[in-house]
Amino acid sequence: EADIYQTPRYLVIGTGKKITLECSQTMGHDKMYWYQQDPGMELHLIHYSYGVNSTEKGDLSSESTVSRIRTEHFPLTLESARPSHTSQYLCATEKNGQYNEKLFFGSGTQLSVL
Amino acid sequence: KQEVTQIPAALSVPEGENLVLNCSFTDSAIYNLQWFRQDPGKGLTSLLLIQSSQREQTSGRLNASLDKSSGRSTLYIAASQPGDSATYLCAVPHNYGQNFVFGPGTRLSVLP
Repeated sequence: EADIYQTPRYLVIGTGKKITLECSQTMGHDKMYWYQQDPGMELHLIHYSYGVNSTEKGDLSSESTVSRIRTEHFPLTLESARPSHTSQYLCATEKNGQYNEKLFFGSGTQLSVL
Repeated sequence: KQEVTQIPAALSVPEGENLVLNCSFTDSAIYNLQWFRQDPGKGLTSLLLIQSSQREQTSGRLNASLDKSSGRSTLYIAASQPGDSATYLCAVPHNYGQNFVFGPGTRLSVLP
């Protein structure tokens, strides 16, 4: 099974702050994803990467940015946080394969912007 | 565009009952379908993955079926327990090899 680590687990910050949510994995998976999920609502894909130096925007418009300099890390950055960014952010990896493979999720970061 | 729906949105059953959760998708050009469990405030845990060439997949008290041509999958939970209480989501790719689309989930409560 994949090991995916998201930090911090919870974050409360003030408006205008720059934040980075960390996501690390130890299984060497090429594909990684960031999803945003409001309480009781659907998951929305905001960013994804198919490997090092590959990043794409997802279906949901987001003011965040991502980078993929190393296979293991896929951090998400908000340059200036706003209350509308309050949500749960979930990182996922996909097992390497030709087409669609099993997804593995981290525990999530619950972000609250005051 | 792939769209995924799940019925019912919420379900409450007494402990010990067998139950079925439903997942429907609009584009049958999928490689596989996955079922997940999500506990409140947590990430998703993969339960079962069914390849498009399979009809069923079983893990313990869970059995998932897939009818690709009709765009439907079911998750059968036998002898439900209070620990099964969670939200269950299904996910399929947009299209063959593309990113996953998640259903809205079914919120299950198993009462002791």
